[in-house]
Amino acid sequence: AQSVTQLDSQVPVFEEAPVELRCNYSSSVSVYLFWYVQYPNQGLQLLLKYLSGSTLVKGINGFEAEFNKSQTSFHLRKPSVHISDTAEYFCAVSGPYNFNKFYFGSGTKLNVKP
Amino acid sequence: DAGVIQSPRHEVTEMGQEVTLRCKPISGHNSLFWYRQTMMRGLELLIYFNNNVPIDDSGMPEDRFSAKMPNASFSTLKIQPSEPRDSAVYFCASSSAGGGNTDTQYFGPGTRLTVL
Repeated sequence: AQSVTQLDSQVPVFEEAPVELRCNYSSSVSVYLFWYVQYPNQGLQLLLKYLSGSTLVKGINGFEAEFNKSQTSFHLRKPSVHISDTAEYFCAVSGPYNFNKFYFGSGTKLNVKP
Repeated sequence: DAGVIQSPRHEVTEMGQEVTLRCKPISGHNSLFWYRQTMMRGLELLIYFNNNVPIDDSGMPEDRFSAKMPNASFSTLKIQPSEPRDSAVYFCASSSAGGGNTDTQYFGPGTRLTVL
């Protein structure tokens, strides 16, 4: 089965600083990749996804992620964070055998400080 | 679009009682997923349906859990009897994926279950 590793459980950062949230997955075969955000007491919302094409994917709220097949990584970045970005972020992978089934990482809590 | 609708949003019950969680997927979506989120285990897929048929229930913890999807617009997750360790947030998600394809899963707001 696919496994997804989010290396940092918590990331504290000051407002307007850049941030990178790391995600690695186990299978090197074709996969689809997603980042979701969860605000307190809410469901998960899609930030961005990589299905094919350009390895740099841009999402909502100024986030972007880069698919690196050789390193089996899909790190999420934002050049300047806001207080409102404080939330938990989940990386998810589907495939390579069942593209309908998502495997989620354990989540990274981003805490943006003023 | 109303999005995925879940009810109730909060449920408090006593150990041994039956609990039923409900989900209405986004209209036109043909895949429906039930997840459980806890601090200890994170986000776990319990079961998913494609075209109302259960495809993978390997995440259902034990026989106390059951899920049904009688039609394309409604699904239930039932726990009987409930136990304190079932306390968690249960999410329903839907997508238009299937047949070997993938698509974004859209999540509902969740049901926070507390079993005393």
